[in-house]
Amino acid sequence: AQKVTQAQTEISVVEKEDVTLDCVYETRDTTYYLFWYKQPPSGELVFLIRRNSFDEQNEISGRYSWNFQKSTSSFNFTITASQVVDSAVYFCALSEAGAAGNKLTFGGGTRVLVKP
Amino acid sequence: DAGVTQSPTHLIKTRGQQVTLRCSPKSGHDTVSWYQQALGQGPQFIFQYYEEEERQRGNFPDRFSGHQFPNYSSELNVNALLLGDSALYLCASSFFTLGNTEAFFGQGTRLTVV
Repeated sequence: AQKVTQAQTEISVVEKEDVTLDCVYETRDTTYYLFWYKQPPSGELVFLIRRNSFDEQNEISGRYSWNFQKSTSSFNFTITASQVVDSAVYFCALSEAGAAGNKLTFGGGTRVLVKP
Repeated sequence: DAGVTQSPTHLIKTRGQQVTLRCSPKSGHDTVSWYQQALGQGPQFIFQYYEEEERQRGNFPDRFSGHQFPNYSSELNVNALLLGDSALYLCASSFFTLGNTEAFFGQGTRLTVV
């Protein structure tokens, strides 16, 4: 069975500080996909990033970056120079490859509060 | 290009009643998945529909059922409502691929059972 754990329930920072969100996952699959979603107060989940299990290259996209380490089953996410609009709940998610399609297993979420 | 739309946005039902939630997927998407998100928790997968058939199901009782129409829109039905069914119900649409594309979510339907 798949499992995603986000140990941080809430993080509070002052604007312009960096925020790193931790995610640890469990899966028996050798091929899988990892995602980060953002949920603002409106409720809609907004896709942020996706990573394939066979590509451990870490990247930066604008103010977002991620650190994928297969050896420790971690997929951490960083927001650089945080802004008030980044305040939301962030979810890490995992999906299998193959016929399982886009069934997502989510972590419990981390609430980020960015204060002006 | 309209994204995923869900209706209604809010709903209040009495314990024991039945409810139907609706979802229209993003244009071009052929797969609809439903998730239940209890307050303060991550979304939990209910089931997924493709080609008008249920393809996968999470750990939810038979009281939860669904349907997909030829135009790819979908309904989620919950019978014999319990207080514990109170949650945000999210619909996600995607292509029926091998799990390598992102799912697009609607704004959700907030169901309150009293």
